[in-house]
Amino acid sequence: AQSVTQLGSHVSVSEGALVLLRCNYSSSVPPYLFWYVQYPNQGLQLLLKYTSAATLVKGINGFEAEFKKSETSFHLTKPSAHMSDAAEYFCAVSDDGGTSYGKLTFGQGTILTVHP
Amino acid sequence: DAGVIQSPRHEVTEMGQEVTLRCKPISGHDYLFWYRQTMMRGLELLIYFNNNVPIDDSGMPEDRFSAKMPNASFSTLKIQPSEPRDSAVYFCASSLSRVAGELFFGEGSRLTVL
Repeated sequence: AQSVTQLGSHVSVSEGALVLLRCNYSSSVPPYLFWYVQYPNQGLQLLLKYTSAATLVKGINGFEAEFKKSETSFHLTKPSAHMSDAAEYFCAVSDDGGTSYGKLTFGQGTILTVHP
Repeated sequence: DAGVIQSPRHEVTEMGQEVTLRCKPISGHDYLFWYRQTMMRGLELLIYFNNNVPIDDSGMPEDRFSAKMPNASFSTLKIQPSEPRDSAVYFCASSLSRVAGELFFGEGSRLTVL
């Protein structure tokens, strides 16, 4: 069975600083990996996804993530944080080659706080 | 195009009452998912449908929970009888089968069972 571990339930950065949200996965087959963002009182929306193409994946709002098989990691980064990035971020994995198209296992989430 | 629409947005009920949550997926999407979000357990997949047929309901916590999708544009999640531990935010999401893992979530239904 697949699983995802997000290191750090809360991350706080200053506006303009680097954002790094950590995600490690466990999967018995080549995984599909995703990052979703949830703003207060809203549903989740897809930031980016890795589906076995390029290992460096670019998403919306300046975020990107790099798939590292040797480290079983898929960390999310953004060079310069903006106040509007404050939200909860979820890493997710699908370990069946995507054939279930959305049967995702989500991590526990990381709340990002951005200070002025 | 409108996104996934859920109703009600908020529901407060008393233990033992029946609760029905509703979802209208994005038109043309052939997968529909029901997730539950709590502080303790995070996001849990309850059940999902493909072309209106339930594919996997292994996440449904117990027989008090049931879900239906009578047509491509409507789904319900019912809890009968409700219990305080069912208090959570319930999300509906839909997706296209050819776009792996790209789920579109509704804004959720926040359920409080007293």
